[in-house]
Amino acid sequence: NAGVMQNPRHLVRRRGQEARLRCSPMKGHSHVYWYRQLPEEGLKFMVYLQKENIIDESGMPKERFSAEFPKEGPSILRIQQVVRGDSAAYFCASSPGAYEQFFGPGTRLTVL
Amino acid sequence: RKEVEQDPGPFNVPEGATVAFNCTYSNSASQSFFWYRQDCRKEPKLLMSVYSSGNEDGRFTAQLNRASQYISLLIRDSKLSDSATYLCVFSSSGTYKYIFGTGTRLKVLA
Repeated sequence: NAGVMQNPRHLVRRRGQEARLRCSPMKGHSHVYWYRQLPEEGLKFMVYLQKENIIDESGMPKERFSAEFPKEGPSILRIQQVVRGDSAAYFCASSPGAYEQFFGPGTRLTVL
Repeated sequence: RKEVEQDPGPFNVPEGATVAFNCTYSNSASQSFFWYRQDCRKEPKLLMSVYSSGNEDGRFTAQLNRASQYISLLIRDSKLSDSATYLCVFSSSGTYKYIFGTGTRLKVLA
């Protein structure tokens, strides 16, 4: 049973470009969460999605960031017009419901 | 007051030692508590859930004190492989989002 998968594992973008981060939850899990970990800081909640629905996006920056979890395919976290402050590790987690969350290996975004 | 506070450490202990971490939380509505482990900024991995009655898993014991609003993790007979950052996590009733502490670094020395 494969775990949570994220790709790419490392992503380098120049300021102003777009970043797309993908997350495939564990088989049977319909709940997906995105967290961001800035250097030397803890993980911060960004958004919680179920299939085709955003349930809680209280941790998402108001501009440039968006997330989706379509009926088919992985969840996508999209960052438009990236800035240096977006450089961080972005972790996706999944769960089958109100249970423990299992984390993917993360995508490390570097903005030059 | 921060939602969750942890001593960042580092805790440097010899192999075989017993070490304990505490984590305080401010939201009395918190319902679920966990300890996760994170190695070298890899993904967090669930170590154990924390129950009101306390729970044990091998060398690890977790406790919850609702009155004082903290959870604790005790590691007995420390191994070199226990070296990691330990993250306390909680979530509130009605929400699935996790609130993470900044982590406590443990280094077990040979």
